[in-house]
Amino acid sequence: QVQLVQSGAEVKNPGASVKVSCKASGYTFTNYDINWVRQATGQGLEWIGWMSPKTGSTGSAQKFQGRVTLTRDTSINTAYMELSSLISDDTAVYYCARNLYGTGDFDFWGQGTLVTVSS
Amino acid sequence: QAVLTQPASLSASPGASASLTCTLRSGINVVTYKIVWFQQKPGSPPRFLLNYKSDSDKLQASGVPSRFSGSKDASANAGILLVSGLQSEDEADYYCMIWHSNSWVFGGGTKLTVL
Repeated sequence: QVQLVQSGAEVKNPGASVKVSCKASGYTFTNYDINWVRQATGQGLEWIGWMSPKTGSTGSAQKFQGRVTLTRDTSINTAYMELSSLISDDTAVYYCARNLYGTGDFDFWGQGTLVTVSS
Repeated sequence: QAVLTQPASLSASPGASASLTCTLRSGINVVTYKIVWFQQKPGSPPRFLLNYKSDSDKLQASGVPSRFSGSKDASANAGILLVSGLQSEDEADYYCMIWHSNSWVFGGGTKLTVL
C-alpha cells in the first residue's frame, strides 16, 4: 500500500533551519511528484513547493523562494524539504503529498511533521 | 483580494445537500481552471476528493462516494463542491485548489457542520 512517512517533530530557534523527510513506499517513487504543504494551527493549507523525484526539478511558491530547498535521495525513496531563516510564523504542521505531474490530485499524504519555532 | 475565496462556515442538516463554493478572484476565469477539492478532519492530513474542469474533464478520487460531486457556476465565477445526502461523517473542513501563476493555490477552507 502507498505510504508517505515523515520524520518526527522538530523544535527550532528563530534563524535556524529545519529539514523534514518524507519516505515513500508502495509505489515507484520516480513516477510521482512530491509536494510540500503546511498548516499553522487552526489555519488553512499553504502550498510550499514541488519536486520531481525523477529529474530533481523543483518549483516553489514565491513566498518561499530563496528560503526553501527541495531535494531527494532516490536510493532510499525519500524526499526532503529544508526551510531556512525560520521565524515564529513558520510554526506549523508540514505535509508531503504525492501527485502525478501536472495534476493537482494530491492523492496520498504524509502524516505531517510539527515544526515549532521558538526561542 | 485572495485568488480563491471560500465561505468560512456552512451548516446543513443530515440527509440534506450542501453546496460549497470556491470563488475565483475577478480576472481569473473559472472556465479555464481545473478545481481540486480536499476534505480534512481534525488531526488528519487532507484527503483528495475530486477534481473538476468540465463534465467531460473530471476525476473522482478512489473510494470517494458519488455523493460528492463537482461543478461550476460560470456566472458567479465559482467552483462548487456538492455534497448530497449529508451524513455526520461529512462534517469537516473543505478546501479548493487551483494551479495559478506557477503555483498551487488553496482557498481558505469551509468548515461544514452537519447538525
